[in-house]
Amino acid sequence: QQKVQQSPESLTVSEGAMASLNCTFSDGTSNNFRWYRQHSAKGLEVLVSIFSDGEKEEGRFTAHLNRANLHVSLHIREPQPSDSAVYLCAVSSASNTNKVVFGTGTRLQVLP
Amino acid sequence: EAGVTQSPRYAVLQEGQAVSFWCDPISGHDTLYWYQQPRDQGPQLLVYFRDEAVIDNSQLPSDRFSAVRPKGTNSTLKIQSAKQGDTATYLCASSLRLGSAETLYFGSGTRLTVL
Repeated sequence: QQKVQQSPESLTVSEGAMASLNCTFSDGTSNNFRWYRQHSAKGLEVLVSIFSDGEKEEGRFTAHLNRANLHVSLHIREPQPSDSAVYLCAVSSASNTNKVVFGTGTRLQVLP
Repeated sequence: EAGVTQSPRYAVLQEGQAVSFWCDPISGHDTLYWYQQPRDQGPQLLVYFRDEAVIDNSQLPSDRFSAVRPKGTNSTLKIQSAKQGDTATYLCASSLRLGSAETLYFGSGTRLTVL
């Protein structure tokens, strides 16, 4: 059973400072990773998808994947107060790409 | 292009009452998912469909929960005899094609409170 854990649970940064979020997973065959953002009382929006080791950048959002260490991270460059939200890591494996397992989320607050 | 639409936005029930949630996925998406998201937790998969067929409902509490997608488009999730532990946001998502590792697109969810 895939386990996905995120850290920290909450994070406060000042506007313009880099924000870094972490996600660890338990299934070494996982090959499909996405970061979603969830604003209060709204659905999830996908920020970046990554499928192989290394780095993937989408605007101010960069994901880093290291499958040997069972770790994927998200870095937000120049965060704005509007980036304040819950960030969710989503993982699935090659054996079942449609069974997506989410972490518990990191609540990010960006102070002006 | 319209996104995933869910209704109602909110529901408040007494224990023992029944409730239904409705989802209209993105047009052309063959795969539809229902997730349960308790407060301060990540979404947890309940069931997913390809067209009208259930692919996996192993996490659906079958004694009180049921889900259908009769024509392979819209879907309904129903809770019979709701319990306080069912309090959560129920999210519907769709993706283009089963097995293709496509992005999931989510609706805004239905926030359920069971008193």
